[in-house]
Amino acid sequence: QITLKESGPTLVKPTQTLTLTCTFSGFSLSTSGVGVGWIRQPPGKALEWLALIYWNDDKRYSPSLKSRLTITKDTSKNQVVLTMTNMDPVDTATYYCAHRGDLGIGKYFDYWGQGTLVTVSS
Amino acid sequence: DIQLTQSPSFLSASVGDRVTITCRASQGISSYLAWYQQKPGKAPKLLIYAASTLQSGVPSRFSGSGSGTEFTLTISSLQPEDFATYYCQQLNSYPFTFGPGTKVDIK
Repeated sequence: QITLKESGPTLVKPTQTLTLTCTFSGFSLSTSGVGVGWIRQPPGKALEWLALIYWNDDKRYSPSLKSRLTITKDTSKNQVVLTMTNMDPVDTATYYCAHRGDLGIGKYFDYWGQGTLVTVSS
Repeated sequence: DIQLTQSPSFLSASVGDRVTITCRASQGISSYLAWYQQKPGKAPKLLIYAASTLQSGVPSRFSGSGSGTEFTLTISSLQPEDFATYYCQQLNSYPFTFGPGTKVDIK
């Protein structure tokens, strides 16, 4: 079965760079059509889509955060890494990774990790 | 970016009630819409995709409809485990925006 799990620091200081790792199982990121995305949610607020990487290394970013985000994959390790530079307290949120799979009539985020809370504070 | 709005933002209902949540897109998104349920401290769970297709394992009391710019999520008979926040998401074009959410609470 498909599982994903986020890992990384729980606390970062303002201006630092955040590096989060999504480790997954049950699928391969070398399979045509598959993608892994990152979504975040500030405490008590709505979900925000951040970035997405596909099996063919196609990468997509939220325009509002594009200058700060980098998404990469390591297919051999079944991992996707998200880096976010110049962290600010407003970036405090739970960060989720999710599998984007082909459900037959489109590709949707059908499996999600449990999320990891990142707090930005000095 | 395509903006999504949801109405209502908050809904108070009783067990057994029929509940309808609306999601509107700022421009046409065909049927590239998903609905998620999120409970406190948990990850979102995919309920409906392609606007009206029930994800495997999701109870049949959930249904979705719509296309273009207006979509609805209906719970035909609200159950205790359905009290949660519901989000729509468009996957027609990047960035894959989410709606602001609708919280369904117990009356």
